[in-house]
Amino acid sequence: AQSVTQPDIHITVSEGASLELRCNYSYGATPYLFWYVQSPGQGLQLLLKYFSGDTLVQGIKGFEAEFKRSQSSFNLRKPSVHWSDAAEYFCAVGAGGTSYGKLTFGQGTILTVHP
Amino acid sequence: EAQVTQNPRYLITVTGKKLTVTCSQNMNHEYMSWYRQDPGLGLRQIYYSMNVEVTDKGDVPEGYKVSRKEKRNFPLILESPSPNQTSLYFCASGQASGYTDTQYFGPGTRLTVL
Repeated sequence: AQSVTQPDIHITVSEGASLELRCNYSYGATPYLFWYVQSPGQGLQLLLKYFSGDTLVQGIKGFEAEFKRSQSSFNLRKPSVHWSDAAEYFCAVGAGGTSYGKLTFGQGTILTVHP
Repeated sequence: EAQVTQNPRYLITVTGKKLTVTCSQNMNHEYMSWYRQDPGLGLRQIYYSMNVEVTDKGDVPEGYKVSRKEKRNFPLILESPSPNQTSLYFCASGQASGYTDTQYFGPGTRLTVL
């Protein structure tokens, strides 16, 4: 069974500082990996995704993530955080094959940005 | 306007009283999915559908039913709701390439079961 762990429940950074949100996954084959963001009271928005190819993927709003198969990780990064980035972030892993369509999310990481 | 709609947005009910939460999308998407969101647990997929008459279980299907008789609609049915189904529910839809592409999320339905 696939699973996702986001070790950090809550992260606080200062505006302008760099950011890295951790994500570790468990899946038997090559995974489909995603990062979503949820602003308070809103639905989810896709930031970026990885299926294959270049292990460093670029997303919207200046975010990027790096797939490291050896570490089963897909960490999200941003070089300079803006106050508007304050939100909850979810990493997710998707299945292929006969379970194509099944999507498992991590517990989420709440990001607070100090001015 | 492209959108996913859910009804109702808020619902308070009692244990055992059958209810249906509707989900409709106007983007001709083949993929649709239901999630529940609980504090500290993130989102958990309940059921998903790759196309009309094709549905499959997610991680937490117990106590829920779905049907996909039309491409645009994907209702979530709770035959006998229990308090542990109190949660925030999201419906989402995506392109024919499935969930690997951008999913569009509905506004959410907050359900309380007393």
